[in-house]
Amino acid sequence: DVVMTQTPVSLPVSLGGQASISCRSSQSLVHSNGNTYLHWYLQKPGQSPQLLIYRVSNRFSGVPDRFSGSGSGTDFTLKISRVEPEDLGDYYCLQSTHFPYTFGAGTKLELK
Amino acid sequence: EVQLVESGGGLVQPGRSLKLSCAASGFTFSNYYMAWVRQAPTKGLEWVAYISTGGGSTYYRDSVKGRFTISRDNAKSTLYLQMDSLRSEDTATYYCTTGASGYWGQGVMVTVSS
Repeated sequence: DVVMTQTPVSLPVSLGGQASISCRSSQSLVHSNGNTYLHWYLQKPGQSPQLLIYRVSNRFSGVPDRFSGSGSGTDFTLKISRVEPEDLGDYYCLQSTHFPYTFGAGTKLELK
Repeated sequence: EVQLVESGGGLVQPGRSLKLSCAASGFTFSNYYMAWVRQAPTKGLEWVAYISTGGGSTYYRDSVKGRFTISRDNAKSTLYLQMDSLRSEDTATYYCTTGASGYWGQGVMVTVSS
């Protein structure tokens, strides 16, 4: 199985500040069709996960441009600029290139 | 409005069975692959099973292979998860989702305990 190593586990931030979360995979996430299926989700307390970024760098409908994704191969990053209160919660990366699909262990974004 | 509504959860004894359903509306269900994802209390997300648009391809995480069966009825826009030989470690909130297409249900709790 592909292991997704997500860091940090906890990320204290100040409102208006910037946050960066890393996700590294144990093997390349480039599919045979040339696409890279690495996605980012946010789960707010008591809610279902919500898709933020799909296929590395594409913002899902309604996601503010404060969120950006980048990376390639095995190394990926989610950046959040100008952090707002509604951004707090647990962030997860997911790879859907190889079965079984696997999530990172999560990063808790919390106030400093 | 897109909706995914899970049902069928509850308390069940180890070794028994349970069948989850996920009713979809507001989008063309048959055009989307579907998956079940679970989350044990206070833990992270764990992908469980996948089914292709027509139902011809299915994949499972190793820990549920041979015990869980994912299926779908495109005419009814409904996804299912048949869970047999349940274990305490299957205790979790189960979500149905279209994965990277962005739609998630509200989740249904399954508790396996004697």
